[in-house]
Amino acid sequence: NAGVTQTPKFRVLKTGQSMTLLCAQDMNHEYMYWYRQDPGMGLRLIHYSVGEGTTAKGEVPDGYNVSRLKKQNFLLGLESAAPSQTSVYFCASSLAGGTGELFFGEGSRLTVL
Amino acid sequence: GQQLNQSPQSMFIQEGEDVSMNCTSSSIFNTWLWYKQDPGEGPVLLIALYKAGELTSNGRLTAQFGITRKDSFLNISASIPSDVGIYFCAGLEGGYQKVTFGTGTKLQVIP
Repeated sequence: NAGVTQTPKFRVLKTGQSMTLLCAQDMNHEYMYWYRQDPGMGLRLIHYSVGEGTTAKGEVPDGYNVSRLKKQNFLLGLESAAPSQTSVYFCASSLAGGTGELFFGEGSRLTVL
Repeated sequence: GQQLNQSPQSMFIQEGEDVSMNCTSSSIFNTWLWYKQDPGEGPVLLIALYKAGELTSNGRLTAQFGITRKDSFLNISASIPSDVGIYFCAGLEGGYQKVTFGTGTKLQVIP
C-alpha cells in the first residue's frame, strides 16, 4: 500500500529551467495539496485541489502551476525556476475537507542554482 | 499569508522529562491538529481537536483546543529518544478546505 508517492525525490535545476513534480495517491482521496517547507517557516500551502479538474491557490502560489487531470495525480510545475524556490516540497491528500487529516508523501528536495 | 506561531522554536530536553509547546493564531479555527515530522519524512497526524476546550490524549501525548479557539497546546509526558522530530500545529477554518500549518517546534531528546 503506497499511500502518497512523490517523484522525483531529489532534483537540481539551474535558474530559468522548468520541471514538474508528480504526486500520486492510491487512497481514492478527493483533496490534494502541495506545500513547501523552509527552515523556520513551517509548511506553506502552494496550491490545492478539491477534486479532479479543479485547482485553487494557497498562500504562496506565485511561480508555480498545478494540474489535476486525474483524481489520483496532482502535478506541480515550475516554468522558470528561481533560487528562491529551493525548498523541500510535500504533497498531501485527504478524504474530504473538514477533518484536516492529511496524508503526506516523503517530500521532494529541489535545489535551484 | 496567515501562519500560526509556535513556541518554543526548538528545545533540548533530558529523556524522561515532560514537554510543553503551544500554538497561537490571530484567527479562529474550528479544528486544531498536531502533526509530527521525523527526519527525512513527511508529517504524520498525532491528535485532532474539534471542539473548543476539548482535551484529547494519545498515549503520552495530550493536546488541548483553547477556549478562545485561537490557540492550542501539546504536552508530551516522560519523553523518550523516539520523540525527536519537528512538531507542527495546524488549523482548519470552518467552511474551507485549507489546512494552515505552524512554524514548528524542533524537539531534541538527550538520552
